[in-house]
Amino acid sequence: QSVLTQPPSASGTPGQRVTISCSGGTSNIGRNTVNWYQQLPGTAPKLLIYSNSQRPSGVPDRFSGSKSGTSASLAISGLQSEDEADYYCATWDESLNGPVFGGGTKLTVL
Amino acid sequence: QLQLLESGPGLVKPSETLSLTCTVSGGSISSDSYYWGWIRQPPGKGLEWIGSIYYSGISHYHPSLKTRVSISVDTSKNQFSLKLNSVTAAETAVYYCARRLLTVAAFDLWGQGTVVTVSS
Repeated sequence: QSVLTQPPSASGTPGQRVTISCSGGTSNIGRNTVNWYQQLPGTAPKLLIYSNSQRPSGVPDRFSGSKSGTSASLAISGLQSEDEADYYCATWDESLNGPVFGGGTKLTVL
Repeated sequence: QLQLLESGPGLVKPSETLSLTCTVSGGSISSDSYYWGWIRQPPGKGLEWIGSIYYSGISHYHPSLKTRVSISVDTSKNQFSLKLNSVTAAETAVYYCARRLLTVAAFDLWGQGTVVTVSS
């Protein structure tokens, strides 16, 4: 059981916009910024979004993040086949005194 | 370009100690801007933070593992290491080492991961 709750799956067709939600609580998302990771099949996770909405160098602007209260969202616009991956949200948890991850969302491009 | 590479036994017996090392190349582990951490991922499951260490040796561990885990750093070798004792089959996973930004707690650079199987 993950501290952060994500839908297990999401899907969309090429060109479409999809969003993935991440729900937490007052000890984690409510107090700290949210990061998102993309994990392509068979590879290590890659930082996609940090500090709620910032993109590391090299990440396309099709990816965007937002946070409100104890929830956060990742949006992917202009969906492409190479976006098919697992996506994880993460943040700092004050109770754990460490980082926590969501359970992950498997994105399928139909 | 900075890279991280995990190394260690791929097979560990139940009740024994899992030992892994992460070698940092292309940059110094002795930076005051980062923590260095271990994260694991059981087959078909999500990510779990194990613990992190600063180059000075300050370390933090997941509360559920803190009685069994130890992370150390060797700045002369640009390496940090994980020891997890009394392992069970449920701890079979891909183990990743990663660099964590100090200010935003995001893991911005990851190793390729190493598979550790706990089995007799």
